[in-house]
Amino acid sequence: EAQVTQNPRYLITVTGKKLTVTCSQNMNHEYMSWYRQDPGLGLRQIYYSMNVEVTDKGDVPEGYKVSRKEKRNFPLILESPSPNQTSLYFCASSLRQQYNSPLHFGNGTRLTVT
Amino acid sequence: QKEVEQDPGPLSVPEGAIVSLNCTYSNSAFQYFMWYRQYSRKGPELLMYTYSSGNKEDGRFTAQVDKSSKYISLFIRDSQPSDSATYLCAMRNYNNNDMRFGAGTRLTVKP
Repeated sequence: EAQVTQNPRYLITVTGKKLTVTCSQNMNHEYMSWYRQDPGLGLRQIYYSMNVEVTDKGDVPEGYKVSRKEKRNFPLILESPSPNQTSLYFCASSLRQQYNSPLHFGNGTRLTVT
Repeated sequence: QKEVEQDPGPLSVPEGAIVSLNCTYSNSAFQYFMWYRQYSRKGPELLMYTYSSGNKEDGRFTAQVDKSSKYISLFIRDSQPSDSATYLCAMRNYNNNDMRFGAGTRLTVKP
């Protein structure tokens, strides 16, 4: 089944404790992206990757890191999480970043930072 | 002002009602328009897309775009309880392929 898989689904951590949220897609997509979803603000892009070893900042990149060493994986790293990073996070992928290439989303990771 | 404005609702309707969901946008570079549906505890999934003004129909769903007014709509006919979800509008910038999402409208269809 074609899908984007994120882990974990739920994560509670403390301020400053490094964490990684994994994302993997099995559709051979070139483009991958991370979003955070907050009430009233919708989906905001954190980082994206056009292809292996190519990453770029989205609209809200502060406090996050990403890497794209393999085509299928695109982990999101929070080196020193803070409470304002408490949010619902989605990984998404598409064949390419172009107008007729729809985004496929994972089922989300709910992160709470205390 | 946000680039994409969407009334967050919540919207509650009886089964069988016609539902109208709307978004406005400010950037005329948005030329490709999408509606995503997001069920509780799930990621958004693409429902419909269009890139021209006018209507596009798919079963009980109709997407409408009015580029002159910078206004898009999604109509759901004969709404069902299974349509209960959050609906997000999204649009792509023709120049740089950037995508912007609305905040989402939560819809509940009551049996």
